[in-house]
Amino acid sequence: DIQMTQSPSSLSASVGDRVSITCRASHSINNFLNWYQQKPGKAPNLLIYSTSTLQSGAPSRFSGSGSGTEFNLTITSLQPEDFATYFCQQSSTTPRTFGQGTKVEIK
Amino acid sequence: EVQLLESGGGLVQPGGSVRLSCAASGFSFDKFAMHWVRQAPGKGLEWVSGINWNSGSVGYGDSVKGRFSISRDNAKNSLFLQMNSLRPEDSASYFCAKDIKFRYYDSNNAFDIWGHGTVVTVSS
Repeated sequence: DIQMTQSPSSLSASVGDRVSITCRASHSINNFLNWYQQKPGKAPNLLIYSTSTLQSGAPSRFSGSGSGTEFNLTITSLQPEDFATYFCQQSSTTPRTFGQGTKVEIK
Repeated sequence: EVQLLESGGGLVQPGGSVRLSCAASGFSFDKFAMHWVRQAPGKGLEWVSGINWNSGSVGYGDSVKGRFSISRDNAKNSLFLQMNSLRPEDSASYFCAKDIKFRYYDSNNAFDIWGHGTVVTVSS
């Protein structure tokens, strides 16, 4: 199975900050990397798929980049509604695997 | 409105069985692969199983292989997960999720629509 490792596991930031989260895969997954946002008690919400394609309805302050084994999710100007946990997921091989999550908290 | 609604969770004894259901509405259910993803309390996400649009092929995560069985009824816009030989470590919220655009569960996909989840607790 492909292991997905996110860093950091948590971060504290202020409204307006630029935030970046890294996801590393144990093997190359080409560009088959997705990002989800999850708020407490809610289902995950797809933000970005295929590394950099913004899902319909997701704000443009979210962007994704990377290839092979290293990927990034960037939030250009953090908004109050962005405080949540973010998960990466590879869709290169089965079983699909997720990163352990990055919790973005208010500083 | 595109919607997925899970049901069937509850308290189950170790070694027991439970069948989860997921009712789909607002989209052409028979055109998409479907998946189950679970999340233990306070933990991350784990892909459990996926099924092709026509039930022609299915896949399972290593931790549930041989114990869980996924199925679907396209005529009833419904997805199911039969869970047998349950263990305490199977306790989690179980989400059904729709494939973003593909008919095959092992395509290079993402999950664009999720249900609210149903909770399964395995305990004596």
